[in-house]
Amino acid sequence: AQSVTQLDSQVPVFEEAPVELRCNYSSSVSVYLFWYVQYPNQGLQLLLKYLSGSTLVKGINGFEAEFNKSQTSFHLRKPSVHISDTAEYFCAASKTSYDKVIFGPGTSLSVIP
Amino acid sequence: ETGVTQTPRHLVMGMTNKKSLKCEQHLGHNAMYWYKQSAKKPLELMFVYNFKEQTENNSVPSRFSPECPNSSHLFLHLHTLQPEDSALYLCASSPNTGGAENTIYFGEGSWLTVV
Repeated sequence: AQSVTQLDSQVPVFEEAPVELRCNYSSSVSVYLFWYVQYPNQGLQLLLKYLSGSTLVKGINGFEAEFNKSQTSFHLRKPSVHISDTAEYFCAASKTSYDKVIFGPGTSLSVIP
Repeated sequence: ETGVTQTPRHLVMGMTNKKSLKCEQHLGHNAMYWYKQSAKKPLELMFVYNFKEQTENNSVPSRFSPECPNSSHLFLHLHTLQPEDSALYLCASSPNTGGAENTIYFGEGSWLTVV
């Protein structure tokens, strides 16, 4: 079965510093990958998604993620974080067939002033 | 405005009460979901509906009873809940249940406290 791993449950980072949130998935077939963000007291919203083509995907709010098939990873990056980026970030994956989307356990990003 | 609206946003209920959570999506999607989000635990998929038919029930206790009268509305009926059921319940919808077009759109959630 498909699974999604986010090794870091909490990531503290100073404001204006770069950040990388790690995501690994288990799949031997083609896969669609997503990053969702959940701001405090809100539902989840899509940051970006990888369907095919370029392995570097750009999303909203200056975030980007790189699909690495050999390492089965889809890490999320931002070169300079802001206080407003403090949120929970979820990586998710779906197979090409009509299969459900599987979410990772989430990474809590705390931006320190 | 996310396109998925949940009511109520906050609910406090006793263990013997019966209440319902409501979800409505205005996106023309065919699939709807209920997720449970508890503190310090991964997002738990509870139920999946596709074209009004339940396609997945992840071993959810019978005190949670979903209802999907049409593709735009989804309810979660609550009865004799336990304090450990206190959590954020998220409704979501997507064009279909998988594949490339499957961006999931979430509501803002209903905070449930069982006392």
